[in-house]
Amino acid sequence: EVQLVESGGGLVKPGGSLRLSCAVSGFTFSSYSMNWVRQAPGKGLEWVSSISSSSYYIYYADSVKGRFTISRDNAKNSLYLQMNSLRAEDTAVYYCARDSAGSTAFDSWGQGTLVTVSS
Amino acid sequence: SSELTQDPDVSVALGQTVRITCQGDSLRSYYASWYQQKPGQAPVLVIYGKNNRPSGIPDRFSGSSSGNTASLTITGAQAEDEADYYCNSRDSSENPLFGTGTTVTVL
Repeated sequence: EVQLVESGGGLVKPGGSLRLSCAVSGFTFSSYSMNWVRQAPGKGLEWVSSISSSSYYIYYADSVKGRFTISRDNAKNSLYLQMNSLRAEDTAVYYCARDSAGSTAFDSWGQGTLVTVSS
Repeated sequence: SSELTQDPDVSVALGQTVRITCQGDSLRSYYASWYQQKPGQAPVLVIYGKNNRPSGIPDRFSGSSSGNTASLTITGAQAEDEADYYCNSRDSSENPLFGTGTTVTVL
């Protein structure tokens, strides 16, 4: 069974930092591109960042470029999101999601971790 | 930048058919994928590619596309289909882009 489990969320002050993790199991992690997607309270889904299977290709939404860093450790079956210079508008549930092989869809999602940026 | 526009709210009588649409220029080049999200839960992929359903998704869910519009159809809507639905495609930079979302109410 494919499982993705996020952790690392919490309350942080504006300007602070946080590192999210996503531990995966049930599939060959090193064969899949991975993503972070977020959802602000009561709002829609927003793609945040993507990383290819070998970490060669990395992409960010304009809203987080220069502040967030996506990475992965294929040996540990883990995906990460380092978030710096956090703002109130970064408050959201952050989901990790797997790219579907051969399509542009996200075929598996974690349960999400809540990040709250507030003084 | 690109946008994917969905009607905010749609209602359907139990057992009837409902179509949810997603409009955007990128849909002329890319297929949409569709996600169902129930309150407090993570999104679930229901349609991807031309009209493909992941394992476990009922066949009452189907997808289609024409021009700049993609559609998700639920044929014979059930109470458990009440949820938010999001389309997804690509933006002008070829990055993932989600639609604005549609809340489906089953009456």
